[in-house]
Amino acid sequence: DVKVTQSSRYLVKRTGEKVFLECVQDMDHENMFWYRQDPGLGLRLIYFSYDVKMKEKGDIPEGYSVSREKKERFSLILESASTNQTSMYLCASSSPDRETQYFGPGTRLLVL
Amino acid sequence: QKEVEQDPGPLSVPEGAIVSLNCTYSNSAFQYFMWYRQYSRKGPELLMYTYSSGNKEDGRFTAQVDKSSKYISLFIRDSQPSDSATYLCAMSDTGRRALTFGSGTRLQVQP
Repeated sequence: DVKVTQSSRYLVKRTGEKVFLECVQDMDHENMFWYRQDPGLGLRLIYFSYDVKMKEKGDIPEGYSVSREKKERFSLILESASTNQTSMYLCASSSPDRETQYFGPGTRLLVL
Repeated sequence: QKEVEQDPGPLSVPEGAIVSLNCTYSNSAFQYFMWYRQYSRKGPELLMYTYSSGNKEDGRFTAQVDKSSKYISLFIRDSQPSDSATYLCAMSDTGRRALTFGSGTRLQVQP
């Protein structure tokens, strides 16, 4: 079974803090994704990566950056957290020959 | 207008009912269609995957794709309280690795 883990289930941060969200997958998948999920808006793609050190912007990259130094690990960085970044953050991975993605349990981030 | 439209619900049905969940989309390039189930405070899990048009059945679940109408459906037979969750449709075209999601339909199956 594919396993995608995220470093925290719940996080509370202050406005202006730098926040790191970590994601690790154990299936040797090339592709990894970061989404945020908000009520009524569904999942929106922030960034994705199709190889180590490669990244592409998704639909809502503003205020975020990412890092992929190793194949199994994909980090999402909030450079200066703001209250409108309070959300559920979901990481996913997939192999390049399949469109199906496998998700982690999510991190609920509250920015005060 | 969103690329993928999905009624948010909630949809409440009695146990044993047949459930129909639907999505419409506007991008004719979409070729791959998925349904994910998401329990409260959990990540989405893949339920069904379909390529192009047609039907696919897996146990109590049937996925249908009608590309001519840009309409996909998920049917759940003999629904159970454990089916209570949010159901997300997702789709992609051949040139984009990322998925486009509907906003999800919340389903409640009453015992």
